Amino acid sequence: GAVVSQHPSRVICKSGTSVKIECRSLDFQATTMFWYRQFPKQSLMLMATSNEGSKATYEQGVEKDKFLINHASLTLSTLTVTSAHPEDSSFYICSVDQGASGGRDEQFFGPGTRLTVL
Amino acid sequence: QKEVEQNSGPLSVPEGAIASLNCTYSDRGSQSFFWYRQYSGKSPELIMSIYSNGDKEDGRFTAQLNKASQYVSLLIRDSQPSDSATYLCAVNRLDSSYKLIFGSGTRLLVRP
Repeated sequence: GAVVSQHPSRVICKSGTSVKIECRSLDFQATTMFWYRQFPKQSLMLMATSNEGSKATYEQGVEKDKFLINHASLTLSTLTVTSAHPEDSSFYICSVDQGASGGRDEQFFGPGTRLTVL
Repeated sequence: QKEVEQNSGPLSVPEGAIASLNCTYSDRGSQSFFWYRQYSGKSPELIMSIYSNGDKEDGRFTAQLNKASQYVSLLIRDSQPSDSATYLCAVNRLDSSYKLIFGSGTRLLVRP
């Protein structure tokens, strides 16, 4: 399956600062990537769909001005958490769906980024 | 009713036993079904995908799909302590968006 990397793996920041998380598809040209958030002992919640060359689409209840997504190339999507607050502390995971780019309909996840906002 | 339902567990089985994990879904037209394994602190890892009724086997894992009853299950034969993890069931959305709907996961504990 698709190999996906994320950077950084862990970040600690002060309240009010912005944090950028990178998601790279290493062996697959991904027209579509997904961003999820997972709080402790909860399941994955889809935040948004990142579309190469166009605007991201956000799930209901996710603030697009707070979670900025850029998908400038077929291998890179970024998520920027702006003006982060302690309640944004979570595990952020991106994924690539091969089916969205003509491959088998399977979704593969990056290793995740653990964000802690002090 | 949740769109994808799983028993949260924990499901505890002895080493070498068969672990049976179940999942039900609400959208009758769903076409793609997936099982992911997630170790604590890690991201999900795809272990099985199934698209048609019946059984699909891959090593010690067997996925079973019954669209008429709207359930999908995962059997793990010869369970090992290393299988201890949370298993997430995922179903595709009907809007052709490639989005997945995840269940809350079942925690599996394999006792040595």
